[in-house]
Amino acid sequence: AQSVTQPDIHITVSEGASLELRCNYSYGATPYLFWYVQSPGQGLQLLLKYFSGDTLVQGIKGFEAEFKRSQSSFNLRKPSVHWSDAAEYFCAVGAGDYKLSFGAGTTVTVRA
Amino acid sequence: DGGITQSPKYLFRKEGQNVTLSCEQNLNHDAMYWYRQDPGQGLRLIYYSQIVNDFQKGDIAEGYSVSREKKESFPLTVTSAQKNPTAFYLCASTNLPRGGEETQYFGPGTRLLVL
Repeated sequence: AQSVTQPDIHITVSEGASLELRCNYSYGATPYLFWYVQSPGQGLQLLLKYFSGDTLVQGIKGFEAEFKRSQSSFNLRKPSVHWSDAAEYFCAVGAGDYKLSFGAGTTVTVRA
Repeated sequence: DGGITQSPKYLFRKEGQNVTLSCEQNLNHDAMYWYRQDPGQGLRLIYYSQIVNDFQKGDIAEGYSVSREKKESFPLTVTSAQKNPTAFYLCASTNLPRGGEETQYFGPGTRLLVL
């Protein structure tokens, strides 16, 4: 079965600084990979996804992620963080069986 | 607007009581899912359904029950057997394309609290 690890529980970043959130997965074949964002008390919103093809994926809100098969990683990046990016971020992996496994999440705090 | 609605936003359960959380989608999605979210644990799958009148247990189905009588509806009942029901419950749905390249979309969630 597939699994996901998000090594960072909490990250604090200054507004305007760059952000990188780490995601490592465990799966024998090429996985389907997702990043979701959740504001407090809300549902999850899809930021971006990778199924195949170009390993650098662009998403909404200026986010991008890169799939690195050799490192089993799918890290999320944003060049310049805005205060509205403060939220919890979840990485998820699918194995083509119509189910997802989620990481424990990374909480991002943005300081002025 | 197409989307997933969950109700109520907050739900209070008394000890020994069964409560039902509603999830409705008008996206014409085939599959629907229920997740439980606890702080620091991410999302855990409770039940899922890929077709009307059929559903499967997820990783933490004990103390929960579901039904899928209509394509657009997938209610979750938290029974009195669930001893620690306080959590945030999320419903999701997706199409079922060949090859499994599906994307799950989420509702706004229901927070269940025990009195």
